[in-house]
Amino acid sequence: GQQLNQSPQSMFIQEGEDVSMNCTSSSIFNTWLWYKQDPGEGPVLLIALYKAGELTSNGRLTAQFGITRKDSFLNISASIPSDVGIYFCAGQRFGANSKLTFGKGITLSVRP
Amino acid sequence: DTAVSQTPKYLVTQMGNDKSIKCEQNLGHDTMYWYKQDSKKFLKIMFSYNNKELIINETVPNRFSPKSPDKAHLNLHINSLELGDSAVYFCASSQVGRGRTNEQFFGPGTRLTVL
Repeated sequence: GQQLNQSPQSMFIQEGEDVSMNCTSSSIFNTWLWYKQDPGEGPVLLIALYKAGELTSNGRLTAQFGITRKDSFLNISASIPSDVGIYFCAGQRFGANSKLTFGKGITLSVRP
Repeated sequence: DTAVSQTPKYLVTQMGNDKSIKCEQNLGHDTMYWYKQDSKKFLKIMFSYNNKELIINETVPNRFSPKSPDKAHLNLHINSLELGDSAVYFCASSQVGRGRTNEQFFGPGTRLTVL
């Protein structure tokens, strides 16, 4: 089945730095979502994107729906320690019966 | 609080037992899901119900049987538990058909350990 590729598996940054993560696929998706998962918790929706080229912000987070519909990226600016967690991208293809395909996630560590 | 809730949070049991996990959402959503997250944190859809009707049934052993008594509840019953069933199981919900169909909201998870 189609996969969403997220790499690297882990990222380590200094507090205050900006970080960018991307998510790519060989298939076209018509919806892209970004989730964050804290240890021992369920994933929390950060940003949802519905149109190719769409750029959406949520506080220090900005995400974009790639123009080819095969990728999306998430930027976190001025990172803080509570940004630590696993960031998942998820996508839905047209007609996929609301099924989301998830990437394998990127574990972000922020050094104080 | 409006949320997706699951019980129990932790479940430790012996191989061969039968167990159930319950999920409830008070978000007024019409679609609910079960996901399995393995030790590598990979999230995989198992089942989805829309208005009590099964709409997604991935390749899951038939020892797993979901049941949705109403659109606010989705339970997961597992028969003859195996070691490989150990994982975190997440329930999620969304409202399909109003444009924002895929904004799925997740519960806190149930960590199942099979000994």
